[in-house]
This record gives sequence, C-alpha cells and structure tokens, in this order.
Amino acid sequence: EDQVTQSPEALRLQEGESSSLNCSYTVSGLRGLFWYRQDPGKGPEFLFTLYSAGEEKEKERLKATLTKKESFLHITAPKPEDSATYLCAVHVLSGGYQKVTFGTGTKLQVIP
Amino acid sequence: SAVISQKPSRDICQRGTSLTIQCQVDSQVTMMFWYRQQPGQSLTLIATANQGSEATYESGFVIDKFPISRPNLTFSTLTVSNMSPEDSSIYLCSVELGYEQYFGPGTRLTVT
Repeated sequence: EDQVTQSPEALRLQEGESSSLNCSYTVSGLRGLFWYRQDPGKGPEFLFTLYSAGEEKEKERLKATLTKKESFLHITAPKPEDSATYLCAVHVLSGGYQKVTFGTGTKLQVIP
Repeated sequence: SAVISQKPSRDICQRGTSLTIQCQVDSQVTMMFWYRQQPGQSLTLIATANQGSEATYESGFVIDKFPISRPNLTFSTLTVSNMSPEDSSIYLCSVELGYEQYFGPGTRLTVT
C-alpha cells in the first residue's frame, strides 16, 4: 500500500529562520511527487512537481528536492505570509490507473 | 494552469438529504478528480472521472453514495447522497494538466 508521511506535523519559525519540511514515501510506480500549499478554507495551491531522484525546483523562498525515499521542502528566510499547511502527494500508476495519495501535511507558522 | 470553480461554496444540509456539487474548469481536461478533506485531515481521493466513461471509485467509496457525472470535458458533478453527519467535510474537485494538478476552492458541507 502506498504511504506518504510528512514531518513535522507543525512547525513554528521566526521570520528569517530557515528550515526544511520532510515528506517520506513508500510507493511503487512513482510518476511524480507534488508539493502544495493550502491556506485555511481554500483548496491546495500547486507548487512543484518532482519526477526523479536528484531533481530540484525553486520558487521564491521555496526549494524542493527529491531522493528515492523522500522529498524536502526547504524554506529560506521565511516571511509571515509563508504561513500555511504544506502538503506533499505522490502520483503513482497502479493497475493501469493513476492515483494521487496525500500526506497529512505540515502546518507552518512564521512569526514576525 | 487551470482555473476551477465549484458550486456551492458551502452548504448546511439535513440528514438524509442529497447535495450535488458542481465543478467547472476553464479548459478541456480528460480526467477530473474528486477529493474529500475531513476537518483537520489531509485529502482523500473519492473517485476519478473520465469524460464518456464510468467514474472509478477508490476503496471505501461507492457509486450509490457518491454518484458522479461527467457530461463534457469541462464539467463534472459529485452528489453526496443520503447524507449523515459523518459526511461533513470539504469536497474538492481537481484536474491534471501535464504533470501538474490543480484544485478548486472546495465545497464546505455541514450535515446536521
């Protein structure tokens, strides 16, 4: 069974304090790993897709990396507006069907 | 990217009734997905809807409870039937463009 585990569940940072969020996964037939940002009361906002180990993508203060077992979302010098829940999800091809399995998310709070 | 709208944005319904949620996309897409996000939890895939064929349901979800229509490449509906308080949740539709997945704003359902 596909499993996606995110850690920590919650993270509180001071503004400017860099850190990383972890997403570990156990799947077969990985097509890609997604990162999303979700603000309260809204649908997830797409951030990145990573396809293969060693791949990295950046967007403003965010950088996502991928290994064969996990992905990291690095947040450099965060600002209060980066406060949100960050979700990772794995996209797999299983039995001829594609399926996306989400982790439970990391709730990030950035304090001014 | 894709712009997705959902109607209604929220509703309060009585036990035993049904609610149909609409999802409209601003571009033609082959596959649309319906997710449920229960309070404080991550997203769970309900079903995948291809235009012109029956929806594919994930384990734990059945067509009688969550019938889906997909009449064309830009529109889908999800009906939550014979509702109980356990169905209180946010329901989200999603589409995949290339290897990027986009979500609607969600429909917040409360069953009393």
